[in-house]
Amino acid sequence: DVKVTQSSRYLVKRTGEKVFLECVQDMDHENMFWYRQDPGLGLRLIYFSYDVKMKEKGDIPEGYSVSREKKERFSLILESASTNQTSMYLCASSQRLVGQYFGPGTRLTVT
Amino acid sequence: QQQVKQSPQSLIVQKGGISIINCAYENTAFDYFPWYQQFPGKGPALLIAIRPDVSEKKEGRFTISFNKSAKQFSLHIMDSQPGDSATYFCAASKGGSSNTGKLIFGQGTTLQVKP
Repeated sequence: DVKVTQSSRYLVKRTGEKVFLECVQDMDHENMFWYRQDPGLGLRLIYFSYDVKMKEKGDIPEGYSVSREKKERFSLILESASTNQTSMYLCASSQRLVGQYFGPGTRLTVT
Repeated sequence: QQQVKQSPQSLIVQKGGISIINCAYENTAFDYFPWYQQFPGKGPALLIAIRPDVSEKKEGRFTISFNKSAKQFSLHIMDSQPGDSATYFCAASKGGSSNTGKLIFGQGTTLQVKP
């Protein structure tokens, strides 16, 4: 079975802090994704990566950056956390021509 | 062009009934249509998926019906059970050599199955 793990299930940070969310997949997938999920807004794509060191902006990249130094690991960085970044963050991975597999999510609260 | 529109936003069904969730798309380049199921506090899980070369795919109580000419697809849950209560997302993606696996998601449907 594909396994996508995220470093934390729950995280509380203060406004202005730099926040790192880590995601690791164990199936040698080429593609990795970061989403945020908010009530009534569904899943919104922040960034995705289709290869090591490659990244593309999704629909809502502002305030976020990403890093993919190794194929199995994709990090989401909040350079200076703000309260409007309080959300559920979901990581996913996929291989070409098949669906995405999601991690359990990180519930981030910024106070 | 890139949107996937999902309806209804919420759905209440009696145990044993049929739950139907609909999605519509505009981009004819889409060629992969998965459905995801998400329980509270969990990440979405791939439930079932279809490609446009077939009009229907069935896995247990879950069936996708696909209408290429109408650019619509739907999820049918037969004999709905309280354990099916979850949020369901449809999605679509473009294939071909440029496929990056990027999915366009519908807005989600919250299903409640009453005992």
